[in-house]
Amino acid sequence: EAGVAQSPRYKIIEKRQSVAFWCNPISGHATLYWYQQILGQGPKLLIQFQNNGVVDDSQLPKDRFSAERLKGVDSTLKIQPAKLEDSAVYLCASSSYTSGYEQYFGPGTRLTVT
Amino acid sequence: KQEVTQIPAALSVPEGENLVLNCSFTDSAIYNLQWFRQDPGKGLTSLLLIQSSQREQTSGRLNASLDKSSGRSTLYIAASQPGDSATYLCAVAFGNEKLTFGTGTRLTIIP
Repeated sequence: EAGVAQSPRYKIIEKRQSVAFWCNPISGHATLYWYQQILGQGPKLLIQFQNNGVVDDSQLPKDRFSAERLKGVDSTLKIQPAKLEDSAVYLCASSSYTSGYEQYFGPGTRLTVT
Repeated sequence: KQEVTQIPAALSVPEGENLVLNCSFTDSAIYNLQWFRQDPGKGLTSLLLIQSSQREQTSGRLNASLDKSSGRSTLYIAASQPGDSATYLCAVAFGNEKLTFGTGTRLTIIP
């Protein structure tokens, strides 16, 4: 069974530029999560999707971050415009009810904003 | 506020020793608890998932326990190996499947 796929793995941009991350969850997983992990901290949930609907986006900075999951499979997370404090690893995870909502994570995208 | 705490932040032990990593959380009404391993520059690998109704889970040399009444979980690693060196993260789903993470314990196994 293929795991969670993410791209790109690394991205360096200047502040005020825009960037997009892509995630493909494990096949059949209805729930998809985007997390932000700042160096030395645990991951923080940004947004949770159930199929193509948003379940929780309470910690998503909506003035600059947006995310979508149009067909209930792949998802994209966008930052526009980026700030220095957005430098972090962006992790995508997926889960399913049938596996007790055990979350499986992708390799992450390391974003550096200069 | 629902929080997850992991102490110590770093731990070094000689190879072959058994060890325990600790996790505490502020609310006993949890949905599940998950232990992860994170290697430098990598994503998170799920180690064990304990549902709210369970007391422990085992996988190979790993054993995780859950005590909701005291707000604690432990991850026991038997016969530690250098390959066990990594950061171990505890994450709790409070009331639903959304995870709140601790800051992790960085484990170093000394050959």
